[in-house]
Amino acid sequence: DGGITQSPKYLFRKEGQNVTLSCEQNLNHDAMYWYRQDPGQGLRLIYYSQIVNDFQKGDIAEGYSVSREKKESFPLTVTSAQKNPTAFYLCASTIARAPNQPQHFGDGTRLSIL
Amino acid sequence: AQSVTQLGSHVSVSEGALVLLRCNYSSSVPPYLFWYVQYPNQGLQLLLKYTSAATLVKGINGFEAEFKKSETSFHLTKPSAHMSDAAEYFCVLTGGGNKLTFGTGTQLKVEL
Repeated sequence: DGGITQSPKYLFRKEGQNVTLSCEQNLNHDAMYWYRQDPGQGLRLIYYSQIVNDFQKGDIAEGYSVSREKKESFPLTVTSAQKNPTAFYLCASTIARAPNQPQHFGDGTRLSIL
Repeated sequence: AQSVTQLGSHVSVSEGALVLLRCNYSSSVPPYLFWYVQYPNQGLQLLLKYTSAATLVKGINGFEAEFKKSETSFHLTKPSAHMSDAAEYFCVLTGGGNKLTFGTGTQLKVEL
């Protein structure tokens, strides 16, 4: 079955450490997204990519970085510059430049500070 | 600018009662609207979508929503609530491109 796989499901970060969250999709979608979810705030866009080797900052990109070397993969790195990284992170994908198409979501990664 | 307002961060209904989750939107272009459901520690699942083909949209699990342009609303309903409907529900808007505008979510509680 096609879908989006996020790993790990739970992740712990030490002070000053960078951590990378994995997102892989086999839906043949060009567009991929990273969101951060905090209680009571809905989802906020961190980064998105419409095509391989290209990505754009979302609303809260500071302290995060991404790469898009393959169509199927869009890893997110939470750097030590992100001072409040504790949150639920969701990856999504969809057909590029098709706003009438829904985004498909992974099951998320919960990041906590040690 | 686009925005989505979900009225009521928490809604509680009895099992078997009508579910009504409210969503109002603002968009400068014709909108595409979605309702998603999220169970604890999971991603978002699509319930239904409005893409201008029909104003009354039927989705999965017995949910439906009606697009009312004059009221800029897209409320989600289900005639009879089930315990398994307890979850968080998000109303989502796209008005161009692929970027989504999320409402802040409504937590639905279903009581016996």
